[in-house]
Amino acid sequence: AQSVTQPDIHITVSEGASLELRCNYSYGATPYLFWYVQSPGQGLQLLLKYFSGDTLVQGIKGFEAEFKRSQSSFNLRKPSVHWSDAAEYFCAGAGTAGNMLTFGGGTRLMVKP
Amino acid sequence: GAVVSQHPSWVICKSGTSVKIECRSLDFQATTMFWYRQFPKQSLMLMATSNEGSKATYEQGVEKDKFLINHASLTLSTLTVTSAHPEDSSFYICSARDRVVNTEAFFGQGTRLTVV
Repeated sequence: AQSVTQPDIHITVSEGASLELRCNYSYGATPYLFWYVQSPGQGLQLLLKYFSGDTLVQGIKGFEAEFKRSQSSFNLRKPSVHWSDAAEYFCAGAGTAGNMLTFGGGTRLMVKP
Repeated sequence: GAVVSQHPSWVICKSGTSVKIECRSLDFQATTMFWYRQFPKQSLMLMATSNEGSKATYEQGVEKDKFLINHASLTLSTLTVTSAHPEDSSFYICSARDRVVNTEAFFGQGTRLTVV
């Protein structure tokens, strides 16, 4: 079955520190992969997506993610976290373009001053 | 471009009443729309897939008679929660796939439903 897993439920980092949020997927073929951010009580904002091509994807707000087929991973990174990055982050995948998304369980990011 | 609008953003209703949530693609035509539900502090779970002009496909465990989905046009899908109960209180989010550029589906801002 297709699945997306985010191993870390909570992560706390200090402001200015680097960040990596983990995402693993299980699909028969290379899935379409997405990272979204959700602030409390708000909708989803797309940070970046991977369909094909260059495995290092740049997104908004200084985020990037790297698709690693050998590890079935699509981890999200940011070199220097800002307090405003505190939110819930969701990794999601689709088996085919434009299809419904399977979401990971989410990772709540907290940023220490 | 690719804007999806949900209405209302939040709604409070009495137990036993019905609530309709609208999902509109504002600047594109969407043959397919997806409805998700998110309980507090949980992830998003797909409820159903609706295709314009046909019956929706519901995920296992989702009651089709309770969550009525209508996708009567290429720009509008509605989700009606019938005879709502407090356990239906949740965040409902739709996404819509562009009929032409169908590589991804775009999300609405969500609707927070509270049943009292």
